[in-house]
Amino acid sequence: DGGITQSPKYLFRKEGQNVTLSCEQNLNHDAMYWYRQDPGQGLRLIYYSQIVNDFQKGDIAEGYSVSREKKESFPLTVTSAQKNPTAFYLCASSLAGGNTGELFFGEGSRLTVL
Amino acid sequence: AQTVTQSQPEMSVQEAETVTLSCTYDTSENNYYLFWYKQPPSRQMILVIRQEAYKQQNATENRFSVNFQKAAKSFSLKISDSQLGDTAMYFCAFMKLSGGSNYKLTFGKGTLLTVNP
Repeated sequence: DGGITQSPKYLFRKEGQNVTLSCEQNLNHDAMYWYRQDPGQGLRLIYYSQIVNDFQKGDIAEGYSVSREKKESFPLTVTSAQKNPTAFYLCASSLAGGNTGELFFGEGSRLTVL
Repeated sequence: AQTVTQSQPEMSVQEAETVTLSCTYDTSENNYYLFWYKQPPSRQMILVIRQEAYKQQNATENRFSVNFQKAAKSFSLKISDSQLGDTAMYFCAFMKLSGGSNYKLTFGKGTLLTVNP
């Protein structure tokens, strides 16, 4: 089935450690996104990529890094520089050219820093 | 920058009744899309309905319809004949159609809707 797969669903990290969240899509979408969701905050854009080997910072990129080496994959690294990393992270994808704005979301990854 | 405001953090409705969720937005753009997304307790977000700003006719999708007031920058979602499966967090979102960042959606903070039996 076509869709977006995020892994792991739950992740625990000690302070000072980097952690990478995986996002893979088989929808042949050009654009991919990472959002952070906190209670009462809605979704905030971390990074997005419209094409392979290119990505842009979103509204809250500090403390995060991404890569887009393959069309299907857009991993997010939460670095030790992120001051408050405990959150729910959502990956999404969409068409690029002729984009109608519909995002397709993964099921999310919950990161807890101990 | 665009902002999206959902003034109702939580709402509840009885099964089979109608409920309206409010959304207002602020933009200087003329061409844009507006959306309502639904995030059920299973957490996977899905698109409920989309409205193009240049269309005067309000979008409808089965039991879901919108009241789009462009001058007032208001975009409410009406759910008719509410069902238990409509229980979810609902997010209003905005996307502008000009410039190089036209793939970015700006989301409101969400409204948690509970449908009671």
